[in-house]
Amino acid sequence: ETGVTQTPRHLVMGMTNKKSLKCEQHLGHNAMYWYKQSAKKPLELMFVYSLEERVENNSVPSRFSPECPNSSHLFLHLHTLQPEDSALYLCASSQDENQPQHFGDGTRLSIL
Amino acid sequence: GESVGLHLPTLSVQEGDNSIINCAYSNSASDYFIWYKQESGKGPQFIIDIRSNMDKRQGQRVTVLLNKTVKHLSLQIAATQPGDSAVYFCAETPDSSYKLIFGSGTRLLVRP
Repeated sequence: ETGVTQTPRHLVMGMTNKKSLKCEQHLGHNAMYWYKQSAKKPLELMFVYSLEERVENNSVPSRFSPECPNSSHLFLHLHTLQPEDSALYLCASSQDENQPQHFGDGTRLSIL
Repeated sequence: GESVGLHLPTLSVQEGDNSIINCAYSNSASDYFIWYKQESGKGPQFIIDIRSNMDKRQGQRVTVLLNKTVKHLSLQIAATQPGDSAVYFCAETPDSSYKLIFGSGTRLLVRP
C-alpha cells in the first residue's frame, strides 16, 4: 500500500466520451501530481497542485483538465481524447517541493 | 514495468550478486535525486533519495552514489534477490522545484 489510491485501474473509452480519473492520498501531503507513462516515452509530468493551487503548467492539451478540490483529492477530467492518449496515468503526492513523491498504481487508459 | 515499447537497457545478474544501475542526469542545477523501482502493473515505488550536498547515501541493501562533476548517479543493490527484478528509474529535481524529471529506466533481471 503506497497511501495513494487511483480509480479506476482500467478504463476504455471512445474518442467522444467524457470520463474522469480519480486520485486520493492518505499521507497528509500538500502536493499532488498527474503523470503520463506511455510505451514510447519516459514518465512525463502533466500537472502539479500544492494546497489546491496549480503550481506547474506543462504543455498539456486542453482535452485534459485537472481539478483539485482539496489537498487529498485530485481528478483528471478527460474529453475528446485521441488514440495517442492511450497510456498509464499515474498520480503522486509529496509533502512539499523537493521531497519524495509517492505514486499510486495508475489508471490504464485505452482510447478506441 | 510500464515502459514496454521503450528500448530499455537491461542488466542481468545472478541471484546473490551485487547490482549497479547507472544514470546520467542532464541538469547541473539539479539538487535532489531519487531512485524508483517499478514492477509490472504497479506504480513507481520510492527506493532512496540523495541531495546535492552529499555524495553517498545508504539504505537497507541499497546505496546511492552521486558524482556531480560528471553528472552521474548510481544505485547499488547488495545481494540481489528475485524480488528485485523490475524497471529502475532515476529522477532529478532542478532548482528545488516540484518538477521531477525521469530517465528512461533500466530493466533489472535476476537469474535464479
